[in-house]
Amino acid sequence: GENVEQHPSTLSVQEGDSAVIKCTYSDSASNYFPWYKQELGKGPQLIIDIRSNVGEKKDQRIAVTLNKTAKHFSLHITETQPEDSAVYFCAASTSYSSGYALNFGKGTSLLVTP
Amino acid sequence: KAGVTQTPRYLIKTRGQQVTLSCSPISGHRSVSWYQQTPGQGLQFLFEYFSETQRNKGNFPGRFSGRQFSNSRSEMNVSTLELGDSALYLCASSTAGNEQFFGPGTRLTVL
Repeated sequence: GENVEQHPSTLSVQEGDSAVIKCTYSDSASNYFPWYKQELGKGPQLIIDIRSNVGEKKDQRIAVTLNKTAKHFSLHITETQPEDSAVYFCAASTSYSSGYALNFGKGTSLLVTP
Repeated sequence: KAGVTQTPRYLIKTRGQQVTLSCSPISGHRSVSWYQQTPGQGLQFLFEYFSETQRNKGNFPGRFSGRQFSNSRSEMNVSTLELGDSALYLCASSTAGNEQFFGPGTRLTVL
């Protein structure tokens, strides 16, 4: 099955700096790669996603890049703010002929200090 | 549009009991997936339902089961609870597939 590795497990940055989280996946058939942000006591919130036919996608301060050949994708957050502090999860999904399943990385705990 | 709702939010059970959790998807969403979140194993896929049919199942024992109703609401059941079943159970809904939106989860504690 699909195996998603995520690094680093913890990341501390100063407000205004950039943060980068990297993930690798094993199943070359995976074609959808979402990123989720989870705050304490809440469910994961979809913040950005990318599909296998696209190399990069940006939404304001957040960007995701995908390298299908190397089977890795990354989340970039620029101009970080304290409210960006949360746990971030990457995931990879394979479209089965009968359904979908998201395979998640173990998460990165991001702390943005003022 | 209202988000995904899950009830109850918190639950305490004892070993050997069974439990039923409920999920109401976003209006118009026909796919509901369930995930188990624990500190050690992270987020793990349990199963996915679409139009009342289980389309996909993760690697969990048969004690974990689910169903979906004609209004797309879904329930999951865990029988013969074990201490290791203590977790946050998350439900996610989607129109048809992989863009999934999560609810707040049900925190299950097994004593």
